Amino acid sequence: QKEVEQDPGPLSVPEGAIVSLNCTYSNSAFQYFMWYRQYSRKGPELLMYTYSSGNKEDGRFTAQVDKSSKYISLFIRDSQPSDSATYLCAMEYNFNKFYFGSGTKLNVKP
Amino acid sequence: EPEVTQTPSHQVTQMGQEVILRCVPISNHLYFYWYRQILGQKVEFLVSFYNNEISEKSEIFDDQFSVERPDGSNFTLKIRSTKLEDSAMYFCASRRDRNTEAFFGQGTRLTVV
Repeated sequence: QKEVEQDPGPLSVPEGAIVSLNCTYSNSAFQYFMWYRQYSRKGPELLMYTYSSGNKEDGRFTAQVDKSSKYISLFIRDSQPSDSATYLCAMEYNFNKFYFGSGTKLNVKP
Repeated sequence: EPEVTQTPSHQVTQMGQEVILRCVPISNHLYFYWYRQILGQKVEFLVSFYNNEISEKSEIFDDQFSVERPDGSNFTLKIRSTKLEDSAMYFCASRRDRNTEAFFGQGTRLTVV
């Protein structure tokens, strides 16, 4: 069983839609959760960093963590074509390494 | 805004040659990492580094790999004898403390021919 599972997509939505991206994980020791955005052949860009169950909001982005279900989500409101990218979830428990999902490719159509 | 800087952006090398990938982490950061991403695949952990020593390394990080912080600003990854399968994007990351955000550089695309 993979440590972190993420649907690779692609996910195609119209501009202005609410996007929901998800990851599940198997290791209950994971304590810290991140979402990164990655444009083609570029480095991961940090969007959200959270460590507790519940919601964290930053602008159009909301990160949700449910530790009891081992499930995390990223919601993007009012999606824009510039949001088209691959979204990576990552998590850690010992601060020495991140475990990444495989990434979900998002396409927001104008 | 401070950022992690990596050079070169693209390196082409012949199989068997040594390469050094360079990173300048954010200035007050204390924890450093190297990751790699083979085209179309997941971002994979290579090594973490703190207080001038390796904290953890993956099974990918064999004797052909080494890391160094030669001065107060640079963090390097050396591959002694490159193989075709080392072709990938290599990302450096840094963070200030253990439970703070980690920031990635834009990567070095390594092509081994």
